[in-house]
Amino acid sequence: GAVVSQHPSWVICKSGTSVKIECRSLDFQATTMFWYRQFPKQSLMLMATSNEGSKATYEQGVEKDKFLINHASLTLSTLTVTSAHPEDSSFYICSARGLAMGETQYFGPGTRLLVL
Amino acid sequence: GQNIDQPTEMTATEGAIVQINCTYQTSGFNGLFWYQQHAGEAPTFLSYNVLDGLEEKGRFSSFLSRSKGYSYLLLKELQMKDSASYLCAVRDLYNFNKFYFGSGTKLNVKP
Repeated sequence: GAVVSQHPSWVICKSGTSVKIECRSLDFQATTMFWYRQFPKQSLMLMATSNEGSKATYEQGVEKDKFLINHASLTLSTLTVTSAHPEDSSFYICSARGLAMGETQYFGPGTRLLVL
Repeated sequence: GQNIDQPTEMTATEGAIVQINCTYQTSGFNGLFWYQQHAGEAPTFLSYNVLDGLEEKGRFSSFLSRSKGYSYLLLKELQMKDSASYLCAVRDLYNFNKFYFGSGTKLNVKP
């Protein structure tokens, strides 16, 4: 149990375009989902936390208009990187927590984004 | 502020035992987590400690001392597949959804 999927696993796009990344909890209801960014050889940086049906809470320094997060259901959250630039190239990882799923959060496999 | 320290990199030999330390200074504490992350992949959960003492799970054990702000992850009978980064994370006392991650310890297991 506790499987989280992400789609796509990798994406290459041109500068100025928008990219949407989906995160799904496959076998549990995720009351809370998290979006992280990880640059090479660095640790996870939390971007935002979202609860189903409410607006995401963004960490300091993360532009909410650039990184749009939607948590439409208990099993799906999306992150849209709008007007992507090369500096947005990174590894984006989502995770999820659910009721009766223990103390930890379960991570998706990540999405590698390359903006040319 | 929150400060979580781990060694950057460690090397150990296959079959040996290795201990990865984590020290933390946080404004509140509600549990410490260890995750394993292979290169290019997402982290996977290894262990959780909220009370002082040792938690054992097969080849992996995790220890916590809250008074010292200290934890370690102990890996026994090392295997080549244990080569990965190990992340220490502390959960916030006032926000159960807030986790503070260390920068990770890259473990290299050599034959």
